[in-house]
Amino acid sequence: EVQLVESGGTVVQPGGSLRLSCAASGFIFRSHWMHWVRQAPGKGLVWVSRINSDVSSATYADSVKGRFTISRDNVKNTVYLEMNSLRADDTAVYFCVRDRARGLFDYWGQGTLVTVSS
Amino acid sequence: DIQMTQSPSSLSASIGDRVTITCQASQDISNYLNWYQKKPGKAPKLLIYDASNLERRVPSRFSGSGSGTHFTFIISSLQPEDIATYYCQQYDDLQVLTFGGGTKVEIK
Repeated sequence: EVQLVESGGTVVQPGGSLRLSCAASGFIFRSHWMHWVRQAPGKGLVWVSRINSDVSSATYADSVKGRFTISRDNVKNTVYLEMNSLRADDTAVYFCVRDRARGLFDYWGQGTLVTVSS
Repeated sequence: DIQMTQSPSSLSASIGDRVTITCQASQDISNYLNWYQKKPGKAPKLLIYDASNLERRVPSRFSGSGSGTHFTFIISSLQPEDIATYYCQQYDDLQVLTFGGGTKVEIK
């Protein structure tokens, strides 16, 4: 059974940093692109970042470019999201998502809540 | 970036009604479009991929169609468990993936 379990969400002050983790199991992790998608309170889904299977490429939404870094460890079957210079509008539930085939999000974690507030 | 415009933003329908949601892309995306269901406190669920293909174990009352810039998502007979927000998502541009704004479906 495919499982994606996010962790690391907490309350952080504006300007602070945080690292989210997503532990994957139940599939061949190194064969899949992985993404982070977020949902701010009362708002819609927003794609944040993607990393390809062999770590050779990563892309970001304009809103997080230069502040967030996605990475993965294909030995530990874990994908990370390093978030710096956090702002109030980064407050959201962050979902870890498996990519079945080039942009098709077939499995989602339950999400981890990041709150940016003083 | 490709913009995805969903309409309506919300709707109210009766059990058994046919529900139709549309999604318009700002440029031609062929059939690179997916539909997801999102319930409060739950992870989103893939329903339709490649514009018209039903995901495994998804009820056949859900369907999708369209290509290019105009897409349609239909619930043929609304059930109580279908109360959720539905999102379209394009993957023609793999550098920046984008969702529509969502359509909240409620029971009348």
